[in-house]
Amino acid sequence: EIVLTQSPGTLSLSPGERATLSCRASQSVSSRSLAWYQHKPGQPPRLLIYGASSRATGIPDRFSGSGSGTDFTLTISRLEPEDFAVFYCHQYGSSHSFGQGTKLEIK
Amino acid sequence: EVQLLESGGGLVQPGGSLRLSCAASGFTFSIYAMNWVRQAPGKGLEWVSSFSGSDDGTYYVDSVKGRFTISRDNSKNTLYLQMSSLRAEDTAVYYCAKAGSVFLGELSSFDYWGQGTLVTVSS
Repeated sequence: EIVLTQSPGTLSLSPGERATLSCRASQSVSSRSLAWYQHKPGQPPRLLIYGASSRATGIPDRFSGSGSGTDFTLTISRLEPEDFAVFYCHQYGSSHSFGQGTKLEIK
Repeated sequence: EVQLLESGGGLVQPGGSLRLSCAASGFTFSIYAMNWVRQAPGKGLEWVSSFSGSDDGTYYVDSVKGRFTISRDNSKNTLYLQMSSLRAEDTAVYYCAKAGSVFLGELSSFDYWGQGTLVTVSS
């Protein structure tokens, strides 16, 4: 089983700032099979990034993903008020597993 | 427009059974792998089970093997999760999620999710 560890657990930033979220895998994730989701209370998770760096349909270009092997990053270039939520990484190269989440909160 | 609508959640006693349903529309249901993902109160997301869109392959997280059974009825565009021998730790919101790629099959990201249905296991 591939274990995903996200950091930091909580990130406190202001609108307009840049957010950098990390996801580290316990072993290499094949074929860059890594996705990122945004999850707000009372709503289903929303796919942001798949294939480590491809934006899903309708996702603004301020969201970007990078990385390969065991280290992956989600970057939000300029935070908008609606961006604050919990973010999860998800590997789907070997069965499925999710990270524990990073809470992005307004400072 | 892709829509996924879960139903069947509720309160059940430990050791009991429950069947969840997920009615799908807006895409060719039969060719996509479908999945169940849950979120326990105050916890993160946990993949539970997948059903292949290309064959009858089924997959489970270890903690539910032998207790949960995933199935689908392509004529009704519906995914199911039969849950038995339920435990308190199965308490969660259960989401139905569609695979993002026909090509990648069950090893795909999840591009659409339902609103979820709450399962509470308690005496």
